[in-house]
Amino acid sequence: GQQVMQIPQYQHVQEGEDFTTYCNSSTTLSNIQWYKQRPGGHPVFLIQLVKSGEVKKQKRLTFQFGEAKKNSSLHITATQTTDVGTYFCAGPTSGTYKYIFGTGTRLKVLA
Amino acid sequence: DTAVSQTPKYLVTQMGNDKSIKCEQNLGHDTMYWYKQDSKKFLKIMFSYNNKELIINETVPNRFSPKSPDKAHLNLHINSLELGDSAVYFCASRVTGGSTEAFFGQGTRLTVV
Repeated sequence: GQQVMQIPQYQHVQEGEDFTTYCNSSTTLSNIQWYKQRPGGHPVFLIQLVKSGEVKKQKRLTFQFGEAKKNSSLHITATQTTDVGTYFCAGPTSGTYKYIFGTGTRLKVLA
Repeated sequence: DTAVSQTPKYLVTQMGNDKSIKCEQNLGHDTMYWYKQDSKKFLKIMFSYNNKELIINETVPNRFSPKSPDKAHLNLHINSLELGDSAVYFCASRVTGGSTEAFFGQGTRLTVV
């Protein structure tokens, strides 16, 4: 079945360093979404990318969708302690009902 | 005015018991989900309902039975609980048709002892 893998699984960075997580799907995706889950919290939607090669920015966060629409990345510039959490990508399987979540990247920011 | 609310937030129970988790959304969405998050933080889809109709049923043991009395509610009943059922269960909802964001409940941490 369809798989969505993320690397790395864990990342510890010093505050102020940059961070990137990569998302790779075994199949082409019509769109990709990113979510953030704070420790003890629930996933919260960050952004959606739809077009091949699309790049979107939210303050210090930059999201990219690959040209082949099978991979995506999230880059955080100058991390802050508030960036701590697990970042998930999610993409739909055939149809619109089923979104598969990636394996997640757990980010820890050391002050 | 919570958008997606689950109850209870914590549930500790013994092996073999039967328990239910309730979920309600006030967003007017027509698709609801149950996800299971294990200790490694993997989020696995279990079930999805669209307008009260079951449309996704992943390879989940028969002991898990979802019920949707109306499109704003999706409950999860678990029979004969096992140690391996310990996890955080998230309810989520979204509007169907096109690509829309999912809204998650705060989760139910189930611990089977």
